[in-house]
Parts: sequence; structure tokens; C-alpha cells
Amino acid sequence: AQSVTQPDARVTVSEGASLQLRCKYSSSVTPYLFWYVQYPRQGLQLLLKYYSGDPVVQGVNGFEAEFSKSNSSFHLRKASVHWSDSAVYFCAVSMGRIFFGDGTQLVVKP
Amino acid sequence: EAAVTQSPRNKVAVTGGKVTLSCNQTNNHNNMYWYRQDTGHGLRLIHYSYGAGSTEKGDIPDGYKASRPSQENFSLILELATPSQTSVYFCASGDARQDTQYFGPGTRLLVL
Repeated sequence: AQSVTQPDARVTVSEGASLQLRCKYSSSVTPYLFWYVQYPRQGLQLLLKYYSGDPVVQGVNGFEAEFSKSNSSFHLRKASVHWSDSAVYFCAVSMGRIFFGDGTQLVVKP
Repeated sequence: EAAVTQSPRNKVAVTGGKVTLSCNQTNNHNNMYWYRQDTGHGLRLIHYSYGAGSTEKGDIPDGYKASRPSQENFSLILELATPSQTSVYFCASGDARQDTQYFGPGTRLLVL
């Protein structure tokens, strides 16, 4: 069985601060890993994905994520957040089919 | 232009009525998916399809049917709508080779 856990339902940071959104997965083998973002009243959009190789993957708008096999994690990071980054972020894993975490709502304070 | 579109964008239905949600994709993807999104539950998979003529049950298929008449179109059908089906429904298409999914804008359904 595989699943994905996002332990933080809501994260609040100040504009310009750094960000880390956590994601842990459970799988007997390394799955494909994704981060999606959902802006209000929109569908999900792909931020970045990891299949293999370099554990740090770059995404759009300055986001990156780091895969850790030892920790079964795929945390999302950004060095300096902007108010427009306020959204819900979903981690997802795939092995044949895709499973989404419950999402983390990011609130960026001015 | 948007590659995955959904119609209607908003729908109000009565309990016991029939509701059809439509999805169209221009990505030429074989796979298509229907999810519902509710607060506290994230995205839950209702039905999916591997191509025209195929439909498969997802994690919460009860009360829903699906139809895939063509590569481009995938419908979700609520034969007897209930208030518990009030939700936001998302359609997605996917390239099976890469597993990436592309989402439509969603349909807000209210069942009274």
C-alpha cells in the first residue's frame, strides 16, 4: 500500500521569508513524486516532478523540492515567498496510479 | 487556450434529479479522471478511464457512473443526486507514460 502525508494543513509565513512544505510518502519502492498548486477557484497545476536522478528538482516560480529516500520525503521549498504564492499545495505520489495528499494551505502575510 | 475544459462550471440540482458533468480535453491523452474535492478530504478519485469506451472505478464510485465515448470526452453522471454529493468536481487528463495529470477548472455542484 502507498500513501502520502502532508502533516501541515495550514502554514503562514511573512512575505520575503523562506518556506518549506512537508511531504512524506509510504511505498516499498521509490515512486514518482509531484507537487501541484491550486489557486482559488482553479484546478491543480503542476509545480514540479521527480522521477529519478538529482534529488533536488527545480520547478516554476522559484520552487524546488528535495527527494530523500532515507526519510521517504519530498519537501517543497522556496527561498523567498511572495504574496501571490498564497494557495493550496498538494504533494502526490504515483506508482501506476496517483495518490494526492490532503494539501497544505499557504498563507503569505504582507 | 485551456486544454481541459469542464461544463457546467456551476450547477444547482435537486435531490433525486439526474446530473451530468462534462469534460473535454485537447491533450490527446489516453487517461482521464474524475475527482471530487471536499474540505478535509483533499482529492478523491471517483472514476477514471484508459481510453474511449473504458471506465474504471476509483476509490469512491458509489452513486456515480462514468462514460468515455471518445478520446476527448469523459462524463460523470449522477443518476439520483443526493445532498452528500454537493462538492467541487475536477476532471483531469493524463499521459500514462509520465503520470503527470492536467486539471480542468472544476465544477461546483450544489444538490438541494
